[in-house]
Amino acid sequence: KAGVTQTPRYLIKTRGQQVTLSCSPISGHRSVSWYQQTPGQGLQFLFEYFSETQRNKGNFPGRFSGRQFSNSRSEMNVSTLELGDSALYLCASKLGQGNTEAFFGQGTRLTVV
Amino acid sequence: SQQGEEDPQALSIQEGENATMNCSYKTSINNLQWYRQNSGRGLVHLILIRSNEREKHSGRLRVTLDTSKKSSSLLITASRAADTASYFCATGTASKLTFGTGTRLQVTL
Repeated sequence: KAGVTQTPRYLIKTRGQQVTLSCSPISGHRSVSWYQQTPGQGLQFLFEYFSETQRNKGNFPGRFSGRQFSNSRSEMNVSTLELGDSALYLCASKLGQGNTEAFFGQGTRLTVV
Repeated sequence: SQQGEEDPQALSIQEGENATMNCSYKTSINNLQWYRQNSGRGLVHLILIRSNEREKHSGRLRVTLDTSKKSSSLLITASRAADTASYFCATGTASKLTFGTGTRLQVTL
């Protein structure tokens, strides 16, 4: 069974640009959550999607957005990139609602220059 | 924001020794989970302990939970070089996890 796949693995963007990251969950998993990891702030929750609906949102500005498709694949978008957006972006999927185990992808390393 | 602190921030031990790392959290919990992260890559779920449990074992891992002190500890016995990683505790649901600051474990030969 394939794991959570995130693409691309590495990305370099310029300040002011926008970026779209993709996450394909484990087959059959309907919930996808996104996290940002930086040396200064650690691991922080961005948002969660379940059945194409955003169920939870973390404390991030509106420049950070996401969506989920009918096949459960999810994308997150960051507009007007800032240097501080440089981070490892992690996606996690789980089967459904409730306290089940989250499976993480390898992450997308975004560098903003 | 992060749920709490992990202690120590970094730990260096020799292969075969035991490694203990601690996690403190701030709010009431239903369960607490531990994850491992190798060198800035994805997180791997290690173990989940529920609030009504005091101790749980999984292979070489032993986790304790003290809800009165809002703290948990992870013990790795007979450590191996492959255990070198960062370890995070996390609270919340699998949909929205709040992570601790992490402990970087270095196991040397």
